[in-house]
Formats: sequence, structure tokens, C-alpha cells
Amino acid sequence: KNEVEQSPQNLTAQEGEFITINCSYSVGISALHWLQQHPGGGIVSLFMLSSGKKKHGRLIATINIQEKHSSLHITASHPRDSAVYICAPNFGNEKLTFGTGTRLTIIP
Amino acid sequence: NAGVTQNPKFQVLKTGQSMTLQCAQDMNHNSMYWYRQDPGMGLRLIYYSASEGTTDKGEVPNGYNVSRLNKREFSLRLESAAPSQTSVYFCASRIQFSVIPGANVLTFGAGSRLTVL
Repeated sequence: KNEVEQSPQNLTAQEGEFITINCSYSVGISALHWLQQHPGGGIVSLFMLSSGKKKHGRLIATINIQEKHSSLHITASHPRDSAVYICAPNFGNEKLTFGTGTRLTIIP
Repeated sequence: NAGVTQNPKFQVLKTGQSMTLQCAQDMNHNSMYWYRQDPGMGLRLIYYSASEGTTDKGEVPNGYNVSRLNKREFSLRLESAAPSQTSVYFCASRIQFSVIPGANVLTFGAGSRLTVL
């Protein structure tokens, strides 16, 4: 069964802290997406990766295919980073499986 | 580029009424998707279309129909709405295969909040 688990479910941190959000999945995948859902509801794709590491600004995504695990890191966190972060592994077809998300709150 | 445009943004229906959610993208993407998002659950795929003229069922297709009218447009129809279909619906699209780094990420519409009474 294609399953995905994110941790933590909720995370509150002070501005400037280094943030890590984790995603584990059950079987082999072709790629994994990280998404950000804003408080207003809009969803934005952050990364799609199939190996290694990608960086965009203060965001870094890594994936370990052998361990079936991906992480999203945010450096120098800011209140505007407050959102729900969702991972979505692609188990080899068009049908992405979405995690339930990690709700991140950054306090000034 | 408008990206992915969904209409309507909000809709209230009575049980048994029908409606169509419209979705259009102007990015020349091959694949289009309809998802629903319910509290405490991840996005779930209702239907998708890998290319113009093809549609396939996703995880939760019951009670819905879709039409891939052309490459740009992918509509979702509720023939007889039920309270269980109260949800936020998202349309998304992507290029299925691209050699351009980052090109085949998903692009989402703003969402349509549907309430069925």
C-alpha cells in the first residue's frame, strides 16, 4: 500500500530558527513533491526531486531513496514562512499520494 | 500567464442539485488533475487527464464526472450533489515530461469551496 507520513504534525518556532520537516513513505517512488499551502488556502509547489538535494533561497529539500525519507529545511525562518507544508510522493504513476501536512508557525 | 484558473471560487448547493467546476490552464501542460481537500486529510485525487482526450479515475471518483474539453480545459461535474461532497476542490496541471529542471512541478488553481446543504 502506498503510504506517506509527515512529522511533526504541528511545529511552532521562533523567528530565525532552523526548521526541519520530515516525510517518510512506504515503497519506492519515482519522485517526491514538496508543497506549501498558505493560510489563505492557495497551494504552491516548492520542489520536485528524485534524488539528492535541491535548494531555493532559504529552502532546502533532501531525499534518501534507500531510506524512503525526505526532509524539507528552512534556514533563518521568518513569520511569512508560516504555512502548511505537504509532501507528495509519486509512486510511479500520475496518482500522487499527499501527506496530511505539517502546520508551521513562526513567532516573531 | 494566468496559470491555473478555477471557477467558481465559492458555491452553495442543495442536495440533489448539479453543478460544474471549471478549470483552465494557459501553460500548455499535458496533465490536469482534480483533487478534493477535507479537514484532517491529505489532498485526494478525484480524476485526472494525462493528455487531451483521456481521463482516468483517481482515489475518490464516485459521484463525479469529468471532461477534458481541449488541452486547456478540464471540468468537474457533480450530477447530484450530496453533503459528503462538501469540500475544497483544487484543479492542478503539469507538464508530464520535461528536460527543463523544475518544469514538471504541479501548478494549482486557487481552489473552489463547495458546500452542499
